[in-house]
Amino acid sequence: GAVVSQHPSWVICKSGTSVKIECRSLDFQATTMFWYRQFPKQSLMLMATSNEGSKATYEQGVEKDKFLINHASLTLSTLTVTSAHPEDSSFYICSARTGGKNIQYFGAGTRLSVL
Amino acid sequence: QQPVQSPQAVILREGEDAVINCSSSKALYSVHWYRQKHGEAPVFLMILLKGGEQKGHDKISASFNEKKQQSSLYLTASQLSYSGTYFCGTEMGGTASKLTFGTGTRLQVTL
Repeated sequence: GAVVSQHPSWVICKSGTSVKIECRSLDFQATTMFWYRQFPKQSLMLMATSNEGSKATYEQGVEKDKFLINHASLTLSTLTVTSAHPEDSSFYICSARTGGKNIQYFGAGTRLSVL
Repeated sequence: QQPVQSPQAVILREGEDAVINCSSSKALYSVHWYRQKHGEAPVFLMILLKGGEQKGHDKISASFNEKKQQSSLYLTASQLSYSGTYFCGTEMGGTASKLTFGTGTRLQVTL
């Protein structure tokens, strides 16, 4: 149980285009999902908390107009990187929370390369 | 503020033991431990709630000292499959708060 699917696993795009990443909880409902960014050999840095049916909560320094988050259902959250630039290239990982103990289960991640 | 993990990296021979520490500057409600292999998602290992509990999972166990705001992960008789980067994730309060991940510890187990 507690499987989280993230798609796509790898995306290459041109500078200025937008990229959408999907995060799905396959066997449970997740009222809360999280989006992280991870640079090589570094830790996971929380970008935003995605709440079903309401606006996402962004961490300090994360541009909400650039990283659009939509959590339209209890099993799906999406992250759209708008007008991507090379500095947005990174590994983006989502997680979904289940149970009362705030255990997070992670998707496999999306490697974004902006040319 | 990001929890600090020590050591940053460690190399073990198969069968040896290791301890990974996680220190926070803030009061903690819980500590979560994850292992991440290169290019993959972090995998949940265990959660420790305040109360000074210890937990075990196979040959991996952990402790949580809430007074010292520290947690330690113990790897016993390490196996090749234990290789990866270990992260602690700290939660400061309530059941709805976010996790702040530590600086990470790279563990390599060799033959």
